[in-house]
Amino acid sequence: DTEVTQTPKHLVMGMTNKKSLKCEQHMGHRAMYWYKQKAKKPPELMFVYSYEKLSINESVPSRFSPECPNSSLLNLHLHALQPEDSALYLCASSQDAGQNYGYTFGSGTRLTVV
Amino acid sequence: LAKTTQPISMDSYEGQEVNITCSHNNIATNDYITWYQQFPSQGPRFIIQGYKTKVTNEVASLFIPADRKSSTLSLPRVSLSDTAVYYCLARGDSSYKLIFGSGTRLLVRP
Repeated sequence: DTEVTQTPKHLVMGMTNKKSLKCEQHMGHRAMYWYKQKAKKPPELMFVYSYEKLSINESVPSRFSPECPNSSLLNLHLHALQPEDSALYLCASSQDAGQNYGYTFGSGTRLTVV
Repeated sequence: LAKTTQPISMDSYEGQEVNITCSHNNIATNDYITWYQQFPSQGPRFIIQGYKTKVTNEVASLFIPADRKSSTLSLPRVSLSDTAVYYCLARGDSSYKLIFGSGTRLLVRP
């Protein structure tokens, strides 16, 4: 298995809702990442997990809460989002967090906040 | 993290070779150059990575001159399906971050 699987592919949520995005990989990768991408913009790094521990939070608002239950799973819990949070949320993994390892990205979750 | 500069967009025709140049004047000694490709509504896909001289794989070639202040991604005989955004990144050994620049939008015409 050489894929990163993200679910759901599309999500519409209200500003008072709580929802979660899920990401799964079975490549034995020990680093996992969340990125946010707005239309016609490059992906922006949100969080980095290395060996199941949060190692980087790029000053992301607390309404986004990451979780890494085990080495294969990465969740992003969403609560009280704003319409401007609507974007494509991408999960990625790499063998390790160092420079020598390429990232494998999932196809993303298209989130719309209404 | 070294800042990278790429052309915003490029046009080409099917069957042509496309060269996308990336400038990284302040690249550090231990930085690698990496290129990703992204199709609409998909995640970026790793294409190629190199440190110096030339690297080639089944998809592309990467040319990095001796001063390493720039690099060129070469796509041989492009097809319509190569229409995508191409990102050049410079990443150091101690960096846990993969930071994307603005990228180059390549349009391949019939």
